[in-house]
Amino acid sequence: GAVVSQHPSRVICKSGTSVKIECRSLDFQATTMFWYRQFPKQSLMLMATSNEGSKATYEQGVEKDKFLINHASLTLSTLTVTSAHPEDSSFYICSARRSYNEQFFGPGTRLTVL
Amino acid sequence: AQSVTQPDIHITVSEGASLELRCNYSYGATPYLFWYVQSPGQGLQLLLKYFSGDTLVQGIKGFEAEFKRSQSSFNLRKPSVHWSDAAEYFCAVGILVTSGTYKYIFGTGTRLKVLA
Repeated sequence: GAVVSQHPSRVICKSGTSVKIECRSLDFQATTMFWYRQFPKQSLMLMATSNEGSKATYEQGVEKDKFLINHASLTLSTLTVTSAHPEDSSFYICSARRSYNEQFFGPGTRLTVL
Repeated sequence: AQSVTQPDIHITVSEGASLELRCNYSYGATPYLFWYVQSPGQGLQLLLKYFSGDTLVQGIKGFEAEFKRSQSSFNLRKPSVHWSDAAEYFCAVGILVTSGTYKYIFGTGTRLKVLA
């Protein structure tokens, strides 16, 4: 149990285009999901907290107009990187909250912006 | 401010040797503590967690960790390392936020190399 999936696993796009990444909790409902960003050989940095049916809460320094988050159902959250640029290239990982203090992580999405 | 420190960026051990990865945290309330492992290009796998109770926690793959409140530490240990343990290890603390949920603060990670 407690499986979280992400799609796509890898994406390559041209500079200026937008990319959508999906995060799904497959066997439990998640009212809260989290989006992290990980640069090569670095730690995970929390970008935002996604709450079902309400606006996401962004961490300080994260551009909410750049990273659009939608949590439309109890099993799906999406992260859209708008007008992507090479500096947005990174590994994006989502997690889903099953209980108040327990998260389960997806396998990650490698974004490369050319 | 809340933080997690993993003092060792890289650790190299021989296969069969014992292992200890250090983790120190800074958090004013009772911490929820986690250790995750990440293989290259992969997501995170939970090794073990501490919420309350027994301060010595057993996890998967033969790992254990001990919570020491007086030292603000949660070090990860394994008595005999296998070559397949080579990976990146992250310590994390759960921080209570106003919505009643917890967000995680991760340490910078320790990269483990295992020599045959």
